[in-house]
Amino acid sequence: RKEVEQDPGPFNVPEGATVAFNCTYSNSASQSFFWYRQDCRKEPKLLMSVYSSGNEDGRFTAQLNRASQYISLLIRDSKLSDSATYLCVVNIYSGNTPLVFGKGTRLSVIA
Amino acid sequence: NAGVTQTPKFQVLKTGQSMTLQCAQDMNHEYMSWYRQDPGMGLRLIHYSVGAGITDQGEVPNGYNVSRSTTEDFPLRLLSAAPSQTSVYFCASSYAPYAATNEKLFFGSGTQLSVL
Repeated sequence: RKEVEQDPGPFNVPEGATVAFNCTYSNSASQSFFWYRQDCRKEPKLLMSVYSSGNEDGRFTAQLNRASQYISLLIRDSKLSDSATYLCVVNIYSGNTPLVFGKGTRLSVIA
Repeated sequence: NAGVTQTPKFQVLKTGQSMTLQCAQDMNHEYMSWYRQDPGMGLRLIHYSVGAGITDQGEVPNGYNVSRSTTEDFPLRLLSAAPSQTSVYFCASSYAPYAATNEKLFFGSGTQLSVL
């Protein structure tokens, strides 16, 4: 099983649609989870952290499912500006180690 | 506040040449790191540092050297460039030494490197 695995997509959705991405991780002891957004040829930027209780920021909701070892990102009312690659990031190893990035899921929101 | 500054933005090298990618941050971050990003491969960690004088290898360290003489700077050296090192390189930093806390990674704008 890969350490951090994402469906590469692309997900092509119309404006206003709701879209969800999942990301699975291999180490059940992982403690830190994030979603980053990366626009084409740009640097990644933190979208949101993922807490055990889940968290919401406007149209974006992140959830953690420890039992099944995945995190999810839900985007409601998709905008054209949401088109980007969404990177799942996990502290995959025990203790203090660098984060591991998934390969990303590409989203295209079309008019 | 400049954040993380990477130079150059673009570079073309011939096989066998050496060069240094510069990375500087002005946020007094302890943790700095270098990633490379290739199509279909995602971001892969090359080297990282948890403070001045301390460096460690990441997932793909071969062919690269780093040093951390100051908190602000973390240069990446390509010793003898190879076509396999053609990639986009990102420097990133964060306040916390590790990712045990929910610390945001700040990225530089990237360097597009082509090795012919």
